[in-house]
Amino acid sequence: AQKITQTQPGMFVQEKEAVTLDCTYDTSDPSYGLFWYKQPSSGEMIFLIYQGSYDQQNATEGRYSLNFQKARKSANLVISASQLGDSAMYFCAMRERTSYDKVIFGPGTSLSVIP
Amino acid sequence: GAVVSQHPSRVICKSGTSVKIECRSLDFQATTMFWYRQFPKKSLMLMATSNEGSKATYEQGVEKDKFLINHASLTLSTLTVTSAHPEDSSFYICSARDPSRGAHTSETQYFGPGTRLLVL
Repeated sequence: AQKITQTQPGMFVQEKEAVTLDCTYDTSDPSYGLFWYKQPSSGEMIFLIYQGSYDQQNATEGRYSLNFQKARKSANLVISASQLGDSAMYFCAMRERTSYDKVIFGPGTSLSVIP
Repeated sequence: GAVVSQHPSRVICKSGTSVKIECRSLDFQATTMFWYRQFPKKSLMLMATSNEGSKATYEQGVEKDKFLINHASLTLSTLTVTSAHPEDSSFYICSARDPSRGAHTSETQYFGPGTRLLVL
């Protein structure tokens, strides 16, 4: 069964505007972590932000913030003041406490920033 | 931050040959490494978990005799694609876990730059 869902295959945003990328997940593990990664065309995986299941506050890292709604099992990424360099694939990922803390990825969202 | 390297970055080989991809943790000891493959415009699919000094754990549907994983030291894991065929052409990425940073910090996994494999 799909554990991580990203319902937006592609998104467009105007430069300097904010954009929200959706992510929902499914787990029965009470202890887990949620990640967002950016993958530009070069292929490298760039870590953006992390949210632990027990964290009381939503994570923020510069222009990135994570809207964590635990009861809804959603972890949306908000990018403020979009820049042209933000155009890339964005993956939501989850690590469960079981079995070596392996990380599984959602299908991804392709974000294009329009000048 | 920690650095993970992969070698080679690109490889082209003939069908039927074997290809070895190396994943190294450069400034930390990695007891666990993960191997992913990614097809164009698709997500990363976990292939296997590599554990230093023991056998790798493969995800369902991944042929362990096809994708040989060896984690002989705390800084090196290798993935060998045996008898490669065109359908094995893909982007292979490794990640390494740094146990010294704890299980619930954001920096427990570092990704290598990836290896693009093309089998002709």
